[in-house]
Amino acid sequence: KAGVTQTPRYLIKTRGQQVTLSCSPISGHRSVSWYQQTPGQGLQFLFEYFSETQRNKGNFPGRFSGRQFSNSRSEMNVSTLELGDSALYLCASSRPGDGSPLHFGNGTRLTVT
Amino acid sequence: LAKTTQPISMDSYEGQEVNITCSHNNIATNDYITWYQQFPSQGPRFIIQGYKTKVTNEVASLFIPADRKSSTLSLPRVSLSDTAVYYCLVGDATGANNLFFGTGTRLTVIP
Repeated sequence: KAGVTQTPRYLIKTRGQQVTLSCSPISGHRSVSWYQQTPGQGLQFLFEYFSETQRNKGNFPGRFSGRQFSNSRSEMNVSTLELGDSALYLCASSRPGDGSPLHFGNGTRLTVT
Repeated sequence: LAKTTQPISMDSYEGQEVNITCSHNNIATNDYITWYQQFPSQGPRFIIQGYKTKVTNEVASLFIPADRKSSTLSLPRVSLSDTAVYYCLVGDATGANNLFFGTGTRLTVIP
């Protein structure tokens, strides 16, 4: 069974630009959650989508948004990029309802210059 | 949301058993306890999950006392490759409230 796939693996953007990151969950997983991890920091929860609806949201500004498609694939978008947005962005999928754990991709490394 | 507290860091020599404790005083009746391992520049990886008493798999054991207000991840005979950050999460089966990671415990295994 294929794992969680995140694309692209690396990305370099300039301040003020916007970026879209993609996440393909494990087949059958309907929940997708996104995290930001900066150097030396823990995993900061961004938002979670379940059946195309945002179910949970972390404490991030409105520049960070996401969506989920009918096939459970998810995208997150960051507009008006700032230097502080440089981070590893991780997505995780799960199969809610039976207590199954989160399965993470290896992330997208975003560098804002 | 059940908040978790873990030691920030721990050091251990190769070959020793390591126990990492997580406190979750306001755990709810329906909450599970799940532990993850993260290496640099990778996503966290599931290690073990439990609800009560003791759970063991091929890589670790999880001890949960009767009051469930804490849990202990036990790694037998650690090696250098076990150097990583370990996170514990609590949340119920819906998956709606087990999304907030704490600071984790940075384990360093020394030769």
